[in-house]
Amino acid sequence: QVQLKESGPGLVQPSRTLSLTCTVSGFSLTSYGVSWVRQPPGKGLEWIAAIWSGGSTDYNSALKSRLSISRDTSKSQVLLKMNSLQTEDTAMYFCARWDSYIYSFDYWGQGVMVTVSS
Amino acid sequence: DVVLTQTPVSLSVTLGDQASISCRSSQSLEYSDGYTYLEWYLQKPGQSPQLLIYGVSNRFSGVPDRFIGSGSGTDFTLKISRVEPEDLGVYYCFQATHDPLTFGSGTKLEIK
Repeated sequence: QVQLKESGPGLVQPSRTLSLTCTVSGFSLTSYGVSWVRQPPGKGLEWIAAIWSGGSTDYNSALKSRLSISRDTSKSQVLLKMNSLQTEDTAMYFCARWDSYIYSFDYWGQGVMVTVSS
Repeated sequence: DVVLTQTPVSLSVTLGDQASISCRSSQSLEYSDGYTYLEWYLQKPGQSPQLLIYGVSNRFSGVPDRFIGSGSGTDFTLKISRVEPEDLGVYYCFQATHDPLTFGSGTKLEIK
């Protein structure tokens, strides 16, 4: 069955770089895109970045200069890197599968909480 | 960037009544191919978001027919008829017509 699972450090110091991994199963990254979406505590959802099935990428315009999304198809992993972390980056980070047939996020991971603090 | 404005911010509904949520876009969401990339997601308390509606009005697999999406251009609506306890949570509209992709600010549905 389709599954996505996020993993990451949990706590990161300000100004450092965050590295998150989304490990997927039940589908191929060359057939489906994956996005990252985040949610600060008590706030709404914010789309961050996407890597599409063909390998092209898109980014949130406000965060673009700090972001990098990539994939390792052999490991079925999507990687997100965000540099120059600030306390405002504290959030739950979700990865979600993009289905190009219905043009929607049809499966989501459970999320990983990232706290930016010294 | 496209801004999606959802109203109301919160909604308190009696079980069995209808709820209606509006999503207004700062730009038309009809793409040049004629498709409108507007979806609705529900995030239940403590859970990840889940897809309800795609392409304005298409219910995702397993979504009850009590959920009805409608609209075009810049104005969209999600109606929930006969609200049930499991419908509580925060509803988000989302657009994938324009880059970057954006979510609405959310509407919290509470049960009276």
